[in-house]
Amino acid sequence: ETGVTQTPRHLVMGMTNKKSLKCEQHLGHNAMYWYKQSAKKPLELMFVYSLEERVENNSVPSRFSPECPNSSHLFLHLHTLQPEDSALYLCASSQDGAGGWYGYTFGSGTRLTVV
Amino acid sequence: QKEVEQDPGPLSVPEGAIVSLNCTYSNSAFQYFMWYRQYSRKGPELLMYTYSSGNKEDGRFTAQVDKSSKYISLFIRDSQPSDSATYLCATLNSGGYQKVTFGTGTKLQVIP
Repeated sequence: ETGVTQTPRHLVMGMTNKKSLKCEQHLGHNAMYWYKQSAKKPLELMFVYSLEERVENNSVPSRFSPECPNSSHLFLHLHTLQPEDSALYLCASSQDGAGGWYGYTFGSGTRLTVV
Repeated sequence: QKEVEQDPGPLSVPEGAIVSLNCTYSNSAFQYFMWYRQYSRKGPELLMYTYSSGNKEDGRFTAQVDKSSKYISLFIRDSQPSDSATYLCATLNSGGYQKVTFGTGTKLQVIP
């Protein structure tokens, strides 16, 4: 596989559930990101990891918990979410460290619905 | 005021038309400008990247930046149905900690 792969593609979860989103990049990039995409809103940066170290947490509620075990894998652990958390969650990577100088490579996203 | 403003559309044009997509930004620190294309059920993909004021051409696509008016545009010549997608502009500030700021995206439909 090439590029950035996200699983699952779709997820429906109850507000009391715990689930995890997975992202894997096969590009040799050294920075990875989680973005939230909601209708009619700009992409919202949630977390940035550069060289496996978190460099930015954009005031994201604690019900979202990221994990970056190595430079190729990124997880987003979800628990006790709210309906307003329903959105498309996008993972991205870049080769230049945090900042996207050369642009991001995005995965296809996980469409999350909280019921 | 949003840092990057973009008309959400949708914009419908006939095949072969010239398409103009536009964004305005408010922060003079933005020095780098990008356009991403997002097909339905896919993540955004980088389409064009430009630094200076003026035009940058890549095939049917031309990115234009006017820093004096803080205005960025993407022109698509001879538009094709395969160009139907959402187009997001994005900016990157220079110096210090780099941060990418996205517009909301403009949905384009090219009708055969």
